[in-house]
Amino acid sequence: ETGVTQTPRHLVMGMTNKKSLKCEQHLGHNAMYWYKQSAKKPLELMFVYSLEERVENNSVPSRFSPECPNSSHLFLHLHTLQPEDSALYLCASSQAVRQRGAQETQYFGPGTRLLVL
Amino acid sequence: AQSVTQLGSHVSVSEGALVLLRCNYSSSVPPYLFWYVQYPNQGLQLLLKYTSAATLVKGINGFEAEFKKSETSFHLTKPSAHMSDAAEYLCAVSATGGFKTIFGAGTRLFVKA
Repeated sequence: ETGVTQTPRHLVMGMTNKKSLKCEQHLGHNAMYWYKQSAKKPLELMFVYSLEERVENNSVPSRFSPECPNSSHLFLHLHTLQPEDSALYLCASSQAVRQRGAQETQYFGPGTRLLVL
Repeated sequence: AQSVTQLGSHVSVSEGALVLLRCNYSSSVPPYLFWYVQYPNQGLQLLLKYTSAATLVKGINGFEAEFKKSETSFHLTKPSAHMSDAAEYLCAVSATGGFKTIFGAGTRLFVKA
């Protein structure tokens, strides 16, 4: 496989469920990102990992818990979500260079469409 | 701090007509600017980016954008629209020294036959 893959592509869960989203990048990058894309709202950065260390945590509720076990994999653990958390969750990766992270091109996966009932 | 404003949530053009999608930014430091395209049920794909080199940036699929510091703008253009250009277009800004990229709300481009 090439690029950035995400599984599952669609997920329906109840508010009491626990689920995880998975992202895998095959580009040899060392930075990975989680974004939330809601209808009629700008894309929101949630978390950034660079060299497996969390470098951005954009005031995300604790019911979202990221995990980055290595530079190729990124998870988003979900528990006790709310209906307003329904959205498209996008993963991205880039080649991070110290002090130049923000100018490097991000490569996005297709996203996981999440519906919370 | 950075911010992005995309004027017009929807733009409709006829096939063969000029495409102009507007983006204005705010940044306290020299910015890096990006245009991404998103097709239905897909992730974002980079069209082009400005990183303080040439002010006129050429991207994929015939798109280009011009950085105008005096107007704090980075508008996206294409001389002749194709049906396949119908998609969501997102403008984004970031600054060196971090990983935070701020996206605009997006503009949906419709192309009429």
